[in-house]
Amino acid sequence: DVKVTQSSRYLVKRTGEKVFLECVQDMDHENMFWYRQDPGLGLRLIYFSYDVKMKEKGDIPEGYSVSREKKERFSLILESASTNQTSMYLCASSSPPRPEKLFFGSGTQLSVL
Amino acid sequence: AQSVTQLDSQVPVFEEAPVELRCNYSSSVSVYLFWYVQYPNQGLQLLLKYLSGSTLVKGINGFEAEFNKSQTSFHLRKPSVHISDTAEYFCAVRTSGTYKYIFGTGTRLKVLA
Repeated sequence: DVKVTQSSRYLVKRTGEKVFLECVQDMDHENMFWYRQDPGLGLRLIYFSYDVKMKEKGDIPEGYSVSREKKERFSLILESASTNQTSMYLCASSSPPRPEKLFFGSGTQLSVL
Repeated sequence: AQSVTQLDSQVPVFEEAPVELRCNYSSSVSVYLFWYVQYPNQGLQLLLKYLSGSTLVKGINGFEAEFNKSQTSFHLRKPSVHISDTAEYFCAVRTSGTYKYIFGTGTRLKVLA
């Protein structure tokens, strides 16, 4: 069965900390995505990657960076966490020739205090 | 720029009643359309998709949606809902030739006994 695994379900951090959110997929997918989900705002794309070491900014990249050193792993980095980054973070992956289906992880609820 | 509008943030409906969740999109080019469902404490999973061909698409769990190009809509319907359909539903659009998915703000469907 296909799987996208996010390392933590809940995470609590302090403002100013550097935070790493990890995502691993076991489907050999080329494309990986990071979204944040906020009530009333839906899902907003932070970054996506279409190949190892390749990345593109999404709609809200400010305050975030990403790393994709291996095909199966896509990390989201909060360089200096702030309270307005408290949110649910969702990782997803997809692959040609069926890019239309996104496979999602179960999410990481991050609280920045 | 693309956008997706889900006008109804919450839809309460009694069990075994029909339901329609509305989705409108704006795009000047060819698009692919999707509905995803998110059950409590889970990631999103694909309910159905429109890529081309027949404008009426059927998905899992008895849901269907109709693509209406002239009205730029992709409304989701189910003729008879169950308690287990209680979830949040997201409409999404992807422009042909890109990797980027744009999600709506979501509609919370609450099925009442």
